[in-house]
Amino acid sequence: QSALTQPPSASGSPGQSVTISCTGTSSDVGGFNYVSWYQHHPGKAPKLMIYEVSKRPSGVPDRFSGSKSGNTASLTVSGLQADDEADYYCSSYAGSNNFAVFGGGTKLTVL
Amino acid sequence: EVQLLESGGGLVQPGGSLRLSCAASGFTFTTYGMTWVRQFPGKGLEWVSAMTGNAASTWYADSVKGRFTISRDNSKNTLYLQMNSLRAADTAVYYCAKGGGFSSSWALDYWGQGTLVTVSS
Repeated sequence: QSALTQPPSASGSPGQSVTISCTGTSSDVGGFNYVSWYQHHPGKAPKLMIYEVSKRPSGVPDRFSGSKSGNTASLTVSGLQADDEADYYCSSYAGSNNFAVFGGGTKLTVL
Repeated sequence: EVQLLESGGGLVQPGGSLRLSCAASGFTFTTYGMTWVRQFPGKGLEWVSAMTGNAASTWYADSVKGRFTISRDNSKNTLYLQMNSLRAADTAVYYCAKGGGFSSSWALDYWGQGTLVTVSS
């Protein structure tokens, strides 16, 4: 169960857009539409931001969007706000033998 | 309001055992799969184990297979994780989360605050 690959850090100024990538293989990200994204402010419970690659749960602003191309999924945060500064993790189902995997996490800094 | 409250963490010696509990409220517990996720001191997350709402299916990370057992008591709205033969590498914050399994598209829509497990002599 290898972790998905995310950049360790990303940054942008308020109002700008930033995209975080999540690269896996055809056995996980590329093989299923079960990619989800989580926002984690240290000391708080993680929060689901995107599921099934591009769907937003109720209450998540439409500034957050998800997509997938091949073995790479992406999370785009538009109109950056100070409160978006957090760690972001992607996750994917990885088949019956491999259960599910997370990415290593990306620390998003709002400059 | 969905609430998930973990308990049972603490300091344990290598080779020891712990049982984590997760008390759930605010939703129909029996309807949903439930999952344990852990966060290592270096911040990485790992899916530990998941179970369907009717307990018919379970999944485990390779790193815990044969040592950890997930279970649930739907009459008490409580999820458990029995952890045996604990190792230093199991040191982490353990989160209980609602979801996991195909019925939730392998997404975890609510998480608890976590309970710290430290394995050390």
